[in-house]
Amino acid sequence: GENVEQHPSTLSVQEGDSAVIKCTYSDSASNYFPWYKQELGKGPQLIIDIRSNVGEKKDQRIAVTLNKTAKHFSLHITETQPEDSAVYFCAASRENNFNKFYFGSGTKLNVKP
Amino acid sequence: DTGVSQDPRHKITKRGQNVTFRCDPISEHNRLYWYRQTLGQGPEFLTYFQNEAQLEKSRLLSDRFSAERPKGSFSTLEIQRTEQGDSAMYLCASSQDRGGYTFGSGTRLTVV
Repeated sequence: GENVEQHPSTLSVQEGDSAVIKCTYSDSASNYFPWYKQELGKGPQLIIDIRSNVGEKKDQRIAVTLNKTAKHFSLHITETQPEDSAVYFCAASRENNFNKFYFGSGTKLNVKP
Repeated sequence: DTGVSQDPRHKITKRGQNVTFRCDPISEHNRLYWYRQTLGQGPEFLTYFQNEAQLEKSRLLSDRFSAERPKGSFSTLEIQRTEQGDSAMYLCASSQDRGGYTFGSGTRLTVV
């Protein structure tokens, strides 16, 4: 099965700085990579996703890059704000196989005001 | 639509008791998923429904676990003879065909 590894486990940045979270996956057939944000006491919320036919995708302050050859993908958050503080999870799936997600172990992001 | 609803939000039960959780997905979503999340870990897949059919079950779902989705609407997850190792957050999610899921807020189970 798929194995997703995520680094770092914790990340502390100053407000306004950028944050980068990295994930690797093992199954070369994985073709869909979502990122989720989880706040305390809540379920994960989809913030951005990317499919394997695209190398990069942006949505305002958030971007995701994908390197299929190296089997890694990254989340970039620019101009961080205190409300970005949360746990972020990456995931990988074969989208044509009912989308069973394999999640990384999470990154706790702390944005200091 | 108010998103994916889960009930109860918290459940404390004694070891050996049975518990049942309910999930109401987004109404137009035909796919429904259950995941389990333990502290400090990412969610782990438990089972998947397409409409009323349960099409995939994880090895994590022992014989003590059963899930149903009658009429392809809400779903229930039952755990029989609970054990302390069952303590976790149980997450339900739904989707319409491709793309990311919408998760509910989860049911936190504590087995004492």
